[in-house]
Amino acid sequence: DAGVIQSPRHEVTEMGQEVTLRCKPISGHDYLFWYRQTMMRGLELLIYFNNNVPIDDSGMPEDRFSAKMPNASFSTLKIQPSEPRDSAVYFCASRPGTGGTIYFGEGSWLTVV
Amino acid sequence: AQTVTQSQPEMSVQEAETVTLSCTYDTSESDYYLFWYKQPPSRQMILVIRQEAYKQQNATENRFSVNFQKAAKSFSLKISDSQLGDAAMYFCAYRRSNFGNEKLTFGTGTRLTIIP
Repeated sequence: DAGVIQSPRHEVTEMGQEVTLRCKPISGHDYLFWYRQTMMRGLELLIYFNNNVPIDDSGMPEDRFSAKMPNASFSTLKIQPSEPRDSAVYFCASRPGTGGTIYFGEGSWLTVV
Repeated sequence: AQTVTQSQPEMSVQEAETVTLSCTYDTSESDYYLFWYKQPPSRQMILVIRQEAYKQQNATENRFSVNFQKAAKSFSLKISDSQLGDAAMYFCAYRRSNFGNEKLTFGTGTRLTIIP
């Protein structure tokens, strides 16, 4: 079975540019998560969806960040405008409706210069 | 608030030997999940093993096993017959099991080095 698929794997962009990260969860999984990993703050939950509906976005750092899940097989995390402090690895993860295990994608490594 | 503590920032072990990584957590809940994730240099987060708090039996997955001490709120990972491919950051994580509590709380990680 295919795992969680993220794109791009790496992105380097200039400050002020819009960045869009994409995620395809594991088929049949009801929950989708966006995490961010930095050296300073470790792994942080940004937002999660249940059946395509955003449930908790309290971890989204500020209004420059937005996430959508238009259907069960696709989600985006957008940063506009991007800043150097947004540089991090962004993980998408998913899990089924029952069972506690969350499966992570390979991450999108974002560098904002 | 739940917290997860990994007190060993770095560990090293000789290839083929056994190593134990420590994790403690703080919670007032009685039902929850605990996980160990591995993060190799590729940065992917890979599930190693999971434990449900209501299960008394310690989880095992091949060379990986846990020592779950619920009363002590301790959840250590034992890696037997260490291999070079086990070199990675290891994160302990906690999640409440009731509906609406989806946040995985991670420890700060332990970097494991395997000495050939």
